[in-house]
Amino acid sequence: DIQMTQSPSSLSASVGDRVTITCRASQGISDYLAWYQQKAGKVPKLLIYGASTLQSGVPYRFSGSGSGTDFTLTISSLQPEDVATYYCQKYNSAPHTFGQGTKVEIK
Amino acid sequence: EVQLLESGGGLVQPGGSLRLSCAASGFTFSYYAMNWVRQAPGKGLEWVSTLSAGGGSTYYADSVKGRFTISRDNSRNTLYLQMNGLRAEDTALYYCAKDSEPWNLGYCFDYWGQGTLVTVSS
Repeated sequence: DIQMTQSPSSLSASVGDRVTITCRASQGISDYLAWYQQKAGKVPKLLIYGASTLQSGVPYRFSGSGSGTDFTLTISSLQPEDVATYYCQKYNSAPHTFGQGTKVEIK
Repeated sequence: EVQLLESGGGLVQPGGSLRLSCAASGFTFSYYAMNWVRQAPGKGLEWVSTLSAGGGSTYYADSVKGRFTISRDNSRNTLYLQMNGLRAEDTALYYCAKDSEPWNLGYCFDYWGQGTLVTVSS
């Protein structure tokens, strides 16, 4: 099975900072990569699919890139409401494995 | 408005069984593959199972294969997860989630329910 590895596991940044989270697949998955945001005590929310397509209603400060095995989620200017844990997920075929998550906090 | 409402969670002894339900509304349920995802307390998301729109194709995580069965009743707009042989490590919040596109498999999950808590303990 394909493994999904996120880095870092946590980060702390200041409001307005550019934040980058990386997700690596152990084998190529083309662009079948989604990013989800989960705020504390809340349900996961789809942010990006197809590695780089923004889900409707998601702020433009979020962007995704990559293809094959290496993917990136970028928050161009971190806002207080972006405090959350972010997960990548492969969905080309089962198992639809999630990364272990990256916890984003405000410094 | 898409709504997914899970139910059926609770406290069960190791080795016991539970059946989770997910009542769907706000979309044509029979067109979409559906999924179960779980989250152990303080841990990350774990995909559990996927069922195709027509119910003919099922997929399971290795951790639950042979113990859990996913099914659906398209006439009742309801997804199920029959869980047998429960273990302490199955303790988690169980979410149902809808595929983002209809008919085929291989899509991400665009709507999630609020989850139902399963606790396996003696």
